[in-house]
Amino acid sequence: GQNIDQPTEMTATEGAIVQINCTYQTSGFNGLFWYQQHAGEAPTFLSYNVLDGLEEKGRFSSFLSRSKGYSYLLLKELQMKDSASYLCAVLNTNAGKSTFGDGTTLTVKP
Amino acid sequence: NAGVTQTPKFRVLKTGQSMTLLCAQDMNHEYMYWYRQDPGMGLRLIHYSVGEGTTAKGEVPDGYNVSRLKKQNFLLGLESAAPSQTSVYFCASSLEGRYEQYFGPGTRLTVT
Repeated sequence: GQNIDQPTEMTATEGAIVQINCTYQTSGFNGLFWYQQHAGEAPTFLSYNVLDGLEEKGRFSSFLSRSKGYSYLLLKELQMKDSASYLCAVLNTNAGKSTFGDGTTLTVKP
Repeated sequence: NAGVTQTPKFRVLKTGQSMTLLCAQDMNHEYMYWYRQDPGMGLRLIHYSVGEGTTAKGEVPDGYNVSRLKKQNFLLGLESAAPSQTSVYFCASSLEGRYEQYFGPGTRLTVT
């Protein structure tokens, strides 16, 4: 079976750094995606990790440890527009089947 | 490029009615997916397709059917709608399975 855990909600201050964790237990693993979803909108791609380590992309970074079944998304220099839901998704097979977590709703306060 | 488009954007159905949701992509992607998203939850895969003429079941396929007659289109059908199918439906596509998915704007369906 598939099990993906993320915190339900997080709050942070504008300009700060926040780390959103994701732990997973899946029967197959071919990579992990992070998506951002603003309220009432479609998800948009943020990052993809398939090997252990840190991937940096501007203000956003994503880390993966396959042995621990663990990933995190790091957001630096938070802006109000970063208030959104962040979805962790595990790619189970190369047929493209991804299992999504329930998402973490991040609220950025002034 | 329009990316991924979905029609309709909103729909209200009565229990037992049928409807078809249309998804179209202009990126020449092989893979297409249908998800549903309920309040406060992530995306659950209904059906997906790895190429024209192919379909496969996802996590929650019951009560839905799909067809992929043309590479650019992926149709989701509800034969007899139930209140439990009230949800937001997202279509997505990807170049291949290991690439990121591009999502359409969603269809908000209410079944009364």
